[in-house]
Formats: sequence, structure tokens, C-alpha cells
Amino acid sequence: QVQLVQSGAEVKKPGASVKVSCKASGYTFTSYGISWVRQAPGQGLEWMGWISAYNGNTNYAQKLQGRVTMTTDTSTSTAYMELRSLRSDDTAVYYCARVDDYCSSTSCYLSAFDIWGQGTMVTVSS
Amino acid sequence: QSALTQPASVSGSPGQSITISCTGTSSDVGGYNYVSWYQQHPGKAPKLMIYEVSNRPSGVSNRFSGSKSGNTASLTISGLQAEDEADYYCSSYTSSSSVVFGGGTKLTVL
Repeated sequence: QVQLVQSGAEVKKPGASVKVSCKASGYTFTSYGISWVRQAPGQGLEWMGWISAYNGNTNYAQKLQGRVTMTTDTSTSTAYMELRSLRSDDTAVYYCARVDDYCSSTSCYLSAFDIWGQGTMVTVSS
Repeated sequence: QSALTQPASVSGSPGQSITISCTGTSSDVGGYNYVSWYQQHPGKAPKLMIYEVSNRPSGVSNRFSGSKSGNTASLTISGLQAEDEADYYCSSYTSSSSVVFGGGTKLTVL
């Protein structure tokens, strides 16, 4: 079946980096994009960015620009999200989600997040 | 990009219908038909319920329906059931080529 399986929980100190993986199965990895969405404890969903699994193009949320990098490894159908210079307010559950991305010559339009990973808890604490 | 505006909570009795609104701007909800709705139960990952304003993924009950008028999208749940009690989030593609979520609505089935 179509699924995304994420890596396990992480505990990091402020200023450190974290890299979360998201392994896809059950579909052609390069036919969809991957977005990352996080949810702080008791809070709503926050979109972090998108990567095209087809060509590696990315678009990051403005507030995370410079601290986040999204990559893919098409040989293993795995997406990665690295967040640097961690702060306490980065404590959250991080989700990867498959996204229908429709690309023209000038833009990529992101539709719905139809398949979600199970989530990875990242705790930032001294 | 500001979050889309949703009511913090709605409630209804079993069998009734409820509607959750999601208000944005002409740069997101009003400008594109890439509006989605997600259901999230406590401790679980979100689940796609409606995509591209009014389309239901395979397996989602036809009690769930979506619509849009101007800068406001809506999710209607008819024939409320106990298992519909959850948090609901809307999202929209934006003119910045990003995605913005609503703040979420807690649905209580009385």
C-alpha cells in the first residue's frame, strides 16, 4: 500500500541540527512532491516547504529560509528534511506528506497532501 | 503569509449538519481552486477529506462536502456521527507558491 514511514523521535540541544527521513513506498516516488508540515504541542499545522521528487526543486516557508534544507534520494525513494540552529520553539511533531504538484514552465502549483507519514517528534531542550 | 481564519470550535448533535468556514484573501483561497480540508484525531496524523475545493478522495464518506465563494471556503459535514469529533484544518495554495493552513477548528459532537 501507499505509505510514508518516518524516522524516530529526536532530542536535540539548542543550536544543534536535526535531519528527519521519510521513506516512500507503494507508488512512483518521482511522480509526486513531498511537503513537510510541523505541529507544535497543542498548536495548529504549519507548512515548512516542498521539494519536487522529480527534479529536486524546492520552495521553503519564508520564516524558515536559511535554516531548512529539503532533499531527496530517488534511489531509495526517501525524502529528508534538515533543520539547523534549533530553538526551543522548533519543538514539534514533524510530518512529511505526499503532494500533487502541477508544474508549468514558470510555476509549480501544490494541491493536496494526500498521504502523510506517522510523524516524528523533535524535542529541543537544554 | 497569514494563516487562514477558521472558527476555533463548532458543535452539533448526532444526525445534524455543521459547516466550518475558512476565510483567506484573493492571494490564496480566492485566487486558486487548490483548497483542501484535513481531519485530525488526537495523536494522529492529519487525513485528507476534501481536495481542490470540493473533491472527495476515494474512501471518504459522502457526508463530507466542500465549497468556495470568493475568499471563503467551507466544509460541511452532514449526518454528524460520534467519530467525526476531531480537529479540522483548511489549507490553500498561495500566490507566493507556498501553502497556508487555517488555525484549525475543534468539532464537538454533543
